[in-house]
Amino acid sequence: EAQVTQNPRYLITVTGKKLTVTCSQNMNHEYMSWYRQDPGLGLRQIYYSMNVEVTDKGDVPEGYKVSRKEKRNFPLILESPSPNQTSLYFCASSLRAGGASLHFGNGTRLTVT
Amino acid sequence: GDSVTQMEGPVTLSEEAFLTINCTYTATGYPSLFWYVQYPGEGLQLLLKATKADDKGSNKGFEATYRKETTSFHLEKGSVQVSDSAVYFCALNVGGADGLTFGKGTHLIIQP
Repeated sequence: EAQVTQNPRYLITVTGKKLTVTCSQNMNHEYMSWYRQDPGLGLRQIYYSMNVEVTDKGDVPEGYKVSRKEKRNFPLILESPSPNQTSLYFCASSLRAGGASLHFGNGTRLTVT
Repeated sequence: GDSVTQMEGPVTLSEEAFLTINCTYTATGYPSLFWYVQYPGEGLQLLLKATKADDKGSNKGFEATYRKETTSFHLEKGSVQVSDSAVYFCALNVGGADGLTFGKGTHLIIQP
C-alpha cells in the first residue's frame, strides 16, 4: 500500500531534550516536506526536499533541522525543543514539486513542557 | 506572496443540505488549485484539483471550478452526509519548489 509513515504518533517531551520525528514513504517520490498545523494558522511549511541531499527552508524553519540521505526518509529534528514547538506535525511527499498532489502522513502530535 | 483565504467556521449544516465553502486566492504566477480534506485523527487527503482556468475538479460528489476572473475555487456539494464532517483546506501551487500554500481550513459539521 502506498503510504507516508510518521513515527511516533504522539510525543510528550521536556524543553531542551533533542528529539527526532521520522518520516518514510514507499512511493519513490522525489519531493518531501514537513508542515506544522496550529489552530487558527492552518498548515505552515517547515522544510522541504526536492531530492536526496537537497533541502531548503519553508516558511517557519527556526528551531528545526532536516536531512535527506535516502530518497524514502526525511526525518525532522528538534535539537532543543521549546514549548512554542508544541504542535501537530505532518510529513508529505509527492512525485515531484510544482503542482503534483501531496500524500500526507497521519501526523505526530508533539507536546513540549 | 501567494495566499489563500477561506472561511474558517465551524460551518454547521443538516444532512442533505447544500454546501458551499468559499476559497479565494492571490498568486504571483498561474497556480494549480486544490481542495484537501482532513478527517479526525488523520492526515490530509487530496479531494480534488484543477490546473487551469475553467477546469472543474470533482470527486465524491464535491465539485469546484477554477475561476481565474474572480480568483476563486469554491467547493460545493449538493447533498451533504454526516460522513462529510471534516476540515477542508483550499490550497494552491504556482509550480515552484516550495510546495503548496494552504488556507487556514474550514471545519464542517454535518448534523443528522
